[in-house]
Amino acid sequence: SQTIHQWPATLVQPVGSPLSLECTVEGTSNPNLYWYRQAAGRGLQLLFYSIGIGQISSEVPQNLSASRPQDRQFILSSKKLLLSDSGFYLCAWSRTGTRENQPQHFGDGTRLSIL
Amino acid sequence: KNQVEQSPQSLIILEGKNCTLQCNYTVSPFSNLRWYKQDTGRGPVSLTIMTFSENTKSNGRYTATLDADTKQSSLHITASQLSDSASYICVVSWGTYKYIFGTGTRLKVLA
Repeated sequence: SQTIHQWPATLVQPVGSPLSLECTVEGTSNPNLYWYRQAAGRGLQLLFYSIGIGQISSEVPQNLSASRPQDRQFILSSKKLLLSDSGFYLCAWSRTGTRENQPQHFGDGTRLSIL
Repeated sequence: KNQVEQSPQSLIILEGKNCTLQCNYTVSPFSNLRWYKQDTGRGPVSLTIMTFSENTKSNGRYTATLDADTKQSSLHITASQLSDSASYICVVSWGTYKYIFGTGTRLKVLA
């Protein structure tokens, strides 16, 4: 069976510090990978998605970047965190292919607090 | 503007009762509509996915309906259980890797 892992579960960082959140998927190959942010009282916002190694698409301009160094590894980074980067970050995967009705499978998220 | 609106924002019901959650959307072009369940502090879990041609889909005690003409969907939960306490999120896909998420309905089931 497929599993998705995110870490850390919680993180407290000072403003201006760097960030690296990691997500890995097991039990499948060539998945589509996604990073979302969930702010309090708001719907999930898609930040990045990737359909293959080294292929990253950004949905919104921001202070964050993403990388996919391996097939099942997706990393969310920042060089200098802002207060507005606080939130609940979720990684997800879905099966590759052209069919649109594939479910997304989410990790358990990282709660990031910026002080 | 593409939007997904869910109602009610929150709901409290007694264990064993049924409930219906609503989702209205103004998303175009429409690809599919999804319902997710999100437990507090966890990631969302997929319940149902419906394309334009489907008007109902069930997953155990969860039944989703879709009216593509009026752009409305509902999620009906039958014989609620304490474990149904969670947020339920409606998501509309409008293209390749394009998703609009609702803000969810927070359901609390009381014993």
